[in-house]
Amino acid sequence: RKEVEQDPGPFNVPEGATVAFNCTYSNSASQSFFWYRQDCRKEPKLLMSVYSSGNEDGRFTAQLNRASQYISLLIRDSKLSDSATYLCVVNRDNAGNMLTFGGGTRLMVKP
Amino acid sequence: ETGVTQTPRHLVMGMTNKKSLKCEQHLGHNAMYWYKQSAKKPLELMFVYSLEERVENNSVPSRFSPECPNSSHLFLHLHTLQPEDSALYLCASGLAGSYEQYFGPGTRLTVT
Repeated sequence: RKEVEQDPGPFNVPEGATVAFNCTYSNSASQSFFWYRQDCRKEPKLLMSVYSSGNEDGRFTAQLNRASQYISLLIRDSKLSDSATYLCVVNRDNAGNMLTFGGGTRLMVKP
Repeated sequence: ETGVTQTPRHLVMGMTNKKSLKCEQHLGHNAMYWYKQSAKKPLELMFVYSLEERVENNSVPSRFSPECPNSSHLFLHLHTLQPEDSALYLCASGLAGSYEQYFGPGTRLTVT
């Protein structure tokens, strides 16, 4: 089983749509969770951390289900500029140094 | 604009060449990382330096040799690479004890 598993997509959605991505992780001891965004041929950039109680940043909402070892990202009112690959990321150690990245889910928002 | 720079941005090298990748961070961080990103595969952590000490080797072949002379600079020395080593090599930095990492633009390496 992969340490962090994501549906690779692509998810093709029209502008204004709501889209949700899911991610599962295998290490039940993981404590820190993130979503990164990677544009085509660019470096990954931190989008948001994922907190136990769920958190929202504008149009983006992240949820964590520890019992199911499942993380989600919801994007409301999709924009063309949201087109990118979204990487689910989980900590690998407790020293604050190492992350495990999922393979990413590609989103394409069409006019 | 990223506070982490990498040079060169593109590199083509033969299997018998020796080359080095350079990373520099201007963010005041004290942890630095090398990742490999191959097509259709997740980012793979190669090396971690925290407070200038190597923390993780992650079973990387010895043809890759990291060097971290200070907290702002990180090198990846390459020798006798294989074609399957062709990939995007990303450097990242962060604060020791924090999981937030900031990536450089990467070096796209092609081994012929």
